[in-house]
Formats: sequence, structure tokens, C-alpha cells
Amino acid sequence: GAVVSQHPSRVICKSGTSVKIECRSLDFQATTMFWYRQFPKQSLMLMATSNEGSKATYEQGVEKDKFLINHASLTLSTLTVTSAHPEDSSFYICSAGPVGGSMNTEAFFGQGTRLTVV
Amino acid sequence: GENVEQHPSTLSVQEGDSAVIKCTYSDSASNYFPWYKQELGKRPQLIIDIRSNVGEKKDQRIAVTLNKTAKHFSLHITETQPEDSAVYFCAARGAGNTPLVFGKGTRLSVIA
Repeated sequence: GAVVSQHPSRVICKSGTSVKIECRSLDFQATTMFWYRQFPKQSLMLMATSNEGSKATYEQGVEKDKFLINHASLTLSTLTVTSAHPEDSSFYICSAGPVGGSMNTEAFFGQGTRLTVV
Repeated sequence: GENVEQHPSTLSVQEGDSAVIKCTYSDSASNYFPWYKQELGKRPQLIIDIRSNVGEKKDQRIAVTLNKTAKHFSLHITETQPEDSAVYFCAARGAGNTPLVFGKGTRLSVIA
């Protein structure tokens, strides 16, 4: 299957600082990528849809000025958590796909990033 | 938008027994229904999926059934093993490059 690579896998930052998370499609072009957040013992919740060359679409309740998304190329989307606070501590994960034609349906996930804000 | 409900939230079975997890969805336009297994701190792992033009799909000990009319789909694991213990998520998605909407997850424990 297609490969989505996400970095870093873990990051600890101080409250008030910013953290950038990268999501790369390694062997396919992704015009759209999705960013999810997962709090402990909860499900994956969609934060935003990242669109190459245009503004991201944010889900209700997600602050676009706090979670900056840049999708400047067909293989890279970045999520920057600005002025991070302890309540932003979570598991962030990106996905892309399906790849190819209409018969393909599978989504591909990055490894996820465990963010801890202290 | 799509809403996916998943039950039960926790499930304990004896090794060798079967486990069934059920999900319902709200958007009749959804046409892709994957099931994921997630271990702590790792990405979801696709274990089986089904498209809306199929009613049932099986892969060894794992099967998924889909009832489009009732808008529900189920995961069946037979002959459960301790390594099946994990959190399982169902999801639904519409056509094209649209995001997955996940159920809340089921923590499955297989007791040896």
C-alpha cells in the first residue's frame, strides 16, 4: 500500500511555544490530507482537511489560528500547533488517500505524533 | 454530516469464543466502511473493509457484514486469541476524497 510518513513521533514542548508536525506521502501525490486528534481512550476526531494550494477546511470547534495547516506541495502537509497549552497534549495523526482510481478506497495513516505540553 | 455509533464500548470474551462489534451510520451516501485495530500509541491498522455494493466480506477469522437499508455494519471475529486484544474502531466515508468518520471504539479483551 501507499506510505504516509509523519514526524516527529513524539515531542515535548513548553507551554506557549509552537510545534510543527509534518505529514508526507512518500510514493503518491496527495491533493488532500486529513488531520485527526485523539485524546487518551477516545476516538479519532477530524480536525481539518488540508488541501494542496488552498486554505484548509476546519471542523467546528477547531481554531484555525491555533492549528495552522500548510499544504504547499502534493506530498507534504504540516500542522503547527501555536502557543501550545497543556490541554493541547494529544495524539495527532494525519491520513491521505484513497490513491488512484475510484475502485481504491483505503486511507493511509501516518505514524502519529504524541504531543506533550508541559 | 456523518455520525457513526459503535457498540459496545468494552467487550470481554474467552479465548476461542467469537466477538461481535456493531456500528450504525447516519449518512446514506456513505459507501466505504473500514474497521481498524489500534494498539496504544500507534496508528490505526486496517483489518478489513467493505464497500456499499457488498453485503459481506470475510478474511480468515474476521468478517464484516453490511446492511445498507438499516445503515449498520458489524465486525465478527471468530476463534479469538489473546493477541486480538486491542481497541477496534469502525468508520464510514462517502465517495471521493472525503474524511473518515470514526466510531468511539471498542476495547476488546480476550481472556486466556
